[in-house]
Amino acid sequence: AQSVTQLDSHVSVSEGTPVLLRCNYSSSYSPSLFWYVQHPNKGLQLLLKYTSAATLVKGINGFEAEFKKSETSFHLTKPSAHMSDAAEYFCVVPEWTGFQKLVFGTGTRLLVSP
Amino acid sequence: EAQVTQNPRYLITVTGKKLTVTCSQNMNHEYMSWYRQDPGLGLRQIYYSMNVEVTDKGDVPEGYKVSRKEKRNFPLILESPSPNQTSLYFCASSLGRTLSYNEQFFGPGTRLTVL
Repeated sequence: AQSVTQLDSHVSVSEGTPVLLRCNYSSSYSPSLFWYVQHPNKGLQLLLKYTSAATLVKGINGFEAEFKKSETSFHLTKPSAHMSDAAEYFCVVPEWTGFQKLVFGTGTRLLVSP
Repeated sequence: EAQVTQNPRYLITVTGKKLTVTCSQNMNHEYMSWYRQDPGLGLRQIYYSMNVEVTDKGDVPEGYKVSRKEKRNFPLILESPSPNQTSLYFCASSLGRTLSYNEQFFGPGTRLTVL
């Protein structure tokens, strides 16, 4: 079974400082991996996805993530946080169990202070 | 505008009073699913549908029903709601069932409180 573990439930940064949201995956094969973002009172939006092409994936709003097979990690980064980045972020892996479904991590809430 | 819509957005009800949360998409997507989101648990799939008249259980189907009579609509039915179904619900759709390659588009969510 596929699973993802988000290592931090909350991350606090100051505006203009780097962001690092950590995700480790467990898979018996090289998986696809996604990051979704959920702004307050909004639905989920796909931020970026890895599908076994380039290991460094660029997403929207300046976010990027690097797939590291040796570390089974897919951490999300951004060089400089903006107030509008405050949201909840989910690391997600699709899984086949007769059909394909998305398996979500427990989420990391990013807080950005002025 | 391509979108997934849900209604109502907010609902407070009482135990045992049947309710339906509607979901509609205008993208001609085949695959639709329902998730519930609870603090510390992320999103968990309730039911999914691969096409009209084809539905199946996800990870947490107890207490829920769905139907898929038309391609665009996928209502979630709670026949006898209970307080443990208080949650934030999301409907999602995608063009195909291979989610590695087909992005799932999410609705805005329905916040349900069962007293």
